[in-house]
Amino acid sequence: DAKTTQPNSMESNEEEPVHLPCNHSTISGTDYIHWYRQLPSQGPEYVIHGLTSNVNNRMASLAIAEDRKSSTLILHRATLRDAAVYYCILDTGNQFYFGTGTSLTVIP
Amino acid sequence: SQTIHQWPATLVQPVGSPLSLECTVEGTSNPNLYWYRQAAGRGLQLLFYSVGIGQISSEVPQNLSASRPQDRQFILSSKKLLLSDSGFYLCAWSQPTRGGETQYFGPGTRLLVL
Repeated sequence: DAKTTQPNSMESNEEEPVHLPCNHSTISGTDYIHWYRQLPSQGPEYVIHGLTSNVNNRMASLAIAEDRKSSTLILHRATLRDAAVYYCILDTGNQFYFGTGTSLTVIP
Repeated sequence: SQTIHQWPATLVQPVGSPLSLECTVEGTSNPNLYWYRQAAGRGLQLLFYSVGIGQISSEVPQNLSASRPQDRQFILSSKKLLLSDSGFYLCAWSQPTRGGETQYFGPGTRLLVL
C-alpha cells in the first residue's frame, strides 16, 4: 500500500500560487516529509522537507498539518519552469517511500 | 562539490542477457547509496541501499543484485534480464542518516529489454 497519496494532476496559471496536497495518514512520529520534483528523463530534484513545523526555502513552502497526516507544498508564483511531476515522500530513516506523484501543468 | 555519475545513459538489451549498471559519487565519503527503478508513468521503487562497502540491503525480491566494491561505487547487476526489468534506473546518495537527509539523484539509465 502506498504511504502517500496525491492527485494525479493539477493545473495552474503562470504567476499564481499553487497548492499541492498530500495525504500520509500512516505517518509515524519520526518520519520526515520530503518533496521532490522530476522533469522527463531526469532524476528527481529536492524541493523541501520537514518534520513537524512549517518550512520555507527559496523554492517553496511546506505546510504540515497539526496531526501530520497531511501536508501541502506551496509554490508561491508558478513559472513555466515549475512544470514537473511533484512527489511527496515519507522518509523513515532507512528509506524514502515515494507516492505516485502529481503532474503539474503551468498555463502561460 | 559533490557529483553523481551513472552510465550508460541508455541501454537496449535482449531478454536473458546480463546487465551491469554503474554509479559513482565524487566529493563525499562514506555516503549512503541507493538504487531505484521507475516504470513508465510511475513513482520510484527502492531496489537496494547500502550504508557501507559490502553492505547491501534489498527491498524488493527480484532477479537483480547490487554490489558496493568501493566506498563511492555502486553497481546494479543481473545474470539474465526479463522483459519486466525495463525501466528507468536511478542511483542516489545521501549523507549517513536516521532521517531528514536529502537524497541526490543521478541522471539515470533508461533500460529497454526486448
